[in-house]
Amino acid sequence: RKEVEQDPGPFNVPEGATVAFNCTYSNSASQSFFWYRQDCRKEPKLLMSVYSSGNEDGRFTAQLNRASQYISLLIRDSKLSDSATYLCVVTINTGGFKTIFGAGTRLFVKA
Amino acid sequence: GAGVSQSPSNKVTEKGKDVELRCDPISGHTALYWYRQRLGQGLEFLIYFQGNSAPDKSGLPSDRFSAERTGESVSTLTIQRTQQEDSAVYLCASSLAVGTQAYGYTFGSGTRLTVV
Repeated sequence: RKEVEQDPGPFNVPEGATVAFNCTYSNSASQSFFWYRQDCRKEPKLLMSVYSSGNEDGRFTAQLNRASQYISLLIRDSKLSDSATYLCVVTINTGGFKTIFGAGTRLFVKA
Repeated sequence: GAGVSQSPSNKVTEKGKDVELRCDPISGHTALYWYRQRLGQGLEFLIYFQGNSAPDKSGLPSDRFSAERTGESVSTLTIQRTQQEDSAVYLCASSLAVGTQAYGYTFGSGTRLTVV
């Protein structure tokens, strides 16, 4: 089993739709959680951190469920510019920090 | 600097040659990571440096790969006797890690390595 698992998609949604991605992690000692966005042939960029109480940034909402070991990302009112690959990232404190990237979920937003 | 800087941005090399890739992290970032990303694939962890601690080399795919970092500054990733399967984008990222809290990474724009 992979340490961080994501549905690879692709998710094809129309503009204005709401779309949600889930990500599961296997190590219960996981400590920090992030969502990154990667555009085609570009480097990943931090989209948002994920906090235990859940957090929102504009149209984006991130949730963490420690009991079930998953995090989610909800995108409301999808824009064409949201088309990208969304990477789930988990960091484990092992004395140093071991960071594991999911393979990503591809999103295509269509006009 | 303002961001993570990697050089060269593109490198074409002949099979069997050695290459050296450079990463200049954000000033003050104690943690530095190297990843590899093949076309259409996810990120593959290579190596991680945290301050003056021994690096985590668990992701290096073979002994042809090595990396160095002096203190909290520049890192170099060296690939010896390059093979065609080494062709990929090599991404460097740095982050601030304080105590038990890890912060998000900032990635450089990568070095696109092509072995012909």
